[in-house]
Amino acid sequence: EVQLVQSGAEVKKPGESLKISCKGSGYSFTSYWIGWVRQMPGKGLEWMGIIYPGDSDTRYSPSFQGQVTISADKSISTAYLQWSSLKASDTAMYYCARKRGYSYPDDYWGQGTLVTVSS
Amino acid sequence: EIVLTQSPATLSLSPGERATLSCRASQSVSSYLAWYQQKPGQAPRLLIYDASNRATGIPARFSGSGSGTDFTLTISSLEPEDFAVYYCQQEGTFGQGTKVEIK
Repeated sequence: EVQLVQSGAEVKKPGESLKISCKGSGYSFTSYWIGWVRQMPGKGLEWMGIIYPGDSDTRYSPSFQGQVTISADKSISTAYLQWSSLKASDTAMYYCARKRGYSYPDDYWGQGTLVTVSS
Repeated sequence: EIVLTQSPATLSLSPGERATLSCRASQSVSSYLAWYQQKPGQAPRLLIYDASNRATGIPARFSGSGSGTDFTLTISSLEPEDFAVYYCQQEGTFGQGTKVEIK
C-alpha cells in the first residue's frame, strides 16, 4: 500500500527555522517525484515545488523560490520542506504528494502538516 | 506561467442533481489536466487525470471532459458525500477551486 506519512504539527515563533518531513512507503521512492503544496487557512491549494529523489532534481514555483528549500534523503525514503526564518504568513497546512512525472497528476497525498507561526 | 480559472466559485445544489464545474486554462494544456476533491480537514484526493480518466476507486458518476483550454468536471447525480471543494490542476498550477454546497 502506497503511503506518504508527514511529520506532526509544529508551533514556531517568527524568525525560527523549521524542517518538516514526508516519508514514502509501499513504492519505489526514487522513481516518483514528491511535491509540496501549501494551503493557507480557508484558502486554496498552492504548488510550492517538487523533487525527484532519484537524483535530487528540484524545481520551485516562482512564488516560493528562495523562500523554502526542498530536499530528500533517498536512503530513508523521506522528503523535506524547510524554512530558515519563518514568518507569520507561513502559517498554513502543508501537504506532500507523489507524482510519476512533472506533467502527471498527484496520485497519493500525505495527511498534511499544520505549521503555526506566532509570537 | 499558465493560469487556471474555475467557475463558478460556489455551486449550490441538492442531492441527486447534476453538477457541472468548469476550468479554463490561459493557454493550451493539451489533455494534461487533473481534478481533485477536498473535504474539510482532509487532504485532496485525485478524481480525474488526463482530462477524462477516472483515478482508481472513483465512482462512475464523476466524469471529466475537454482539451486545449476548456475543461469540465461533471458529477451526474450528487451524493451527500460529494459536497466538497473541487480543484483543477495542470503541472505546477491549481485553479482557485469550486465549492459544491448543499442547497
